[in-house]
Amino acid sequence: QSALTQPASVSGSPGQSITISCSGTSSDVGDYSYVSWYQQHPGKAPKLMIYDVNNRPSGVSNRFSGSKSGNTASLTISGLQAEDEADYFCSSYTTISTLNVFGTGTKVTVL
Amino acid sequence: EVQLVQSGAEVKKPGESLKISCEGSGYSFSIYWIGWVRQMPDKGLEWLGLIYPRDSDTRYSPSFQGQVTISADTSTNTAYVQWSALKASDTAMYYCVRRDRGVLLWGQGTLVTVSS
Repeated sequence: QSALTQPASVSGSPGQSITISCSGTSSDVGDYSYVSWYQQHPGKAPKLMIYDVNNRPSGVSNRFSGSKSGNTASLTISGLQAEDEADYFCSSYTTISTLNVFGTGTKVTVL
Repeated sequence: EVQLVQSGAEVKKPGESLKISCEGSGYSFSIYWIGWVRQMPDKGLEWLGLIYPRDSDTRYSPSFQGQVTISADTSTNTAYVQWSALKASDTAMYYCVRRDRGVLLWGQGTLVTVSS
């Protein structure tokens, strides 16, 4: 199946807010509330930041929030900090396959 | 604490076989899909496939069907992926992943390097 579409890069200054989009179809993002977001620093394993569209696991800063409208999900990072500089990717449950679909990934740069 | 612990980095020659492992702990291993994801440098994430340990139902990505074998041992709560004949293009980081509907729990990764 096709990957979910994310912008290749997003940047912002410390303290600003940024939003990363994740565009899918009616077979994945649009059909389920099972969208999750992951943060990956270089050389590290992905870390769950948001699950089921807008839920934060214990220990994740409340500066991270998620939402969904139609076939597009979004991750917002508010009060951007240097430690937020990383790769972010989304993932969604899908009707087409047992294998959840991944986003193309977004590099976040803190200016 | 729920966690997945993978076996260590491997360096192999083309044509050699390899089996890497992933031990799950802190949860009921047999009732969650568990699988493998490949990440190549500066590339996206690709599923190799998933297995349901309770009945060994296995689903492969079309790109990896016939290229790898995924298995699981419920007596040791361990999942495996194996190659019978590695290629240089198999060089990558491989992550073990537990799937709970939309939530993916990741292992720490196993770096596989294939070079003559």
